[in-house]
Amino acid sequence: GIQVEQSPPDLILQEGANSTLRCNFSDSVNNLQWFHQNPWGQLINLFYIPSGTKQNGRLSATTVATERYSLLYISSSQTTDSGVYFCAVPGAGSYQLTFGKGTKLSVIP
Amino acid sequence: DAEITQSPRHKITETGRQVTLACHQTWNHNNMFWYRQDLGHGLRLIHYSYGVQDTNKGEVSDGYSVSRSNTEDLPLTLESAASSQTSVYFCASSEYIGQPQHFGDGTRLSIL
Repeated sequence: GIQVEQSPPDLILQEGANSTLRCNFSDSVNNLQWFHQNPWGQLINLFYIPSGTKQNGRLSATTVATERYSLLYISSSQTTDSGVYFCAVPGAGSYQLTFGKGTKLSVIP
Repeated sequence: DAEITQSPRHKITETGRQVTLACHQTWNHNNMFWYRQDLGHGLRLIHYSYGVQDTNKGEVSDGYSVSRSNTEDLPLTLESAASSQTSVYFCASSEYIGQPQHFGDGTRLSIL
């Protein structure tokens, strides 16, 4: 099946700093989702981004499908950005998602 | 607003017991999914359904079953709970192929 790798596994930021999270995948995909799991365990949809770039406030994401990676940018980080960020892609010809192991982000004041 | 609801939010049970976790969505989505989340593994697919009366096995389906008698519900049953099934369980749904999946808030299950 498709492999999904996220980096870095852990990231500590000072409040106000910027960061880039990366997601590599082993096969071509027709969609990709980014999620934020908050400290209460809820999975929040951030982006549905099969290709191109999208922005939502301080967050933006870029997927380069031909090179099999996606990037999540967080600018001017806040303590509420803390949590685990997952990317997920479907396998070939399927609906079901394969998740990366996540990047754990800690934003300190 | 449409939503996806999981119940219970927390459950403690004993090994060997049958346990059923509920998932109910009001999105009217055809596709529904169950995942488990464990430290070091991320989320892994247990079972999924593409519509009423349709069920399929995922990556980690052993010891679990699902049934889909209507569009809104996909209950997950552990036939004989084992300590290895202690985990956080998430239900998700999506409307069509390629559309984003929406997740419930999860059920934390502890098997003693």
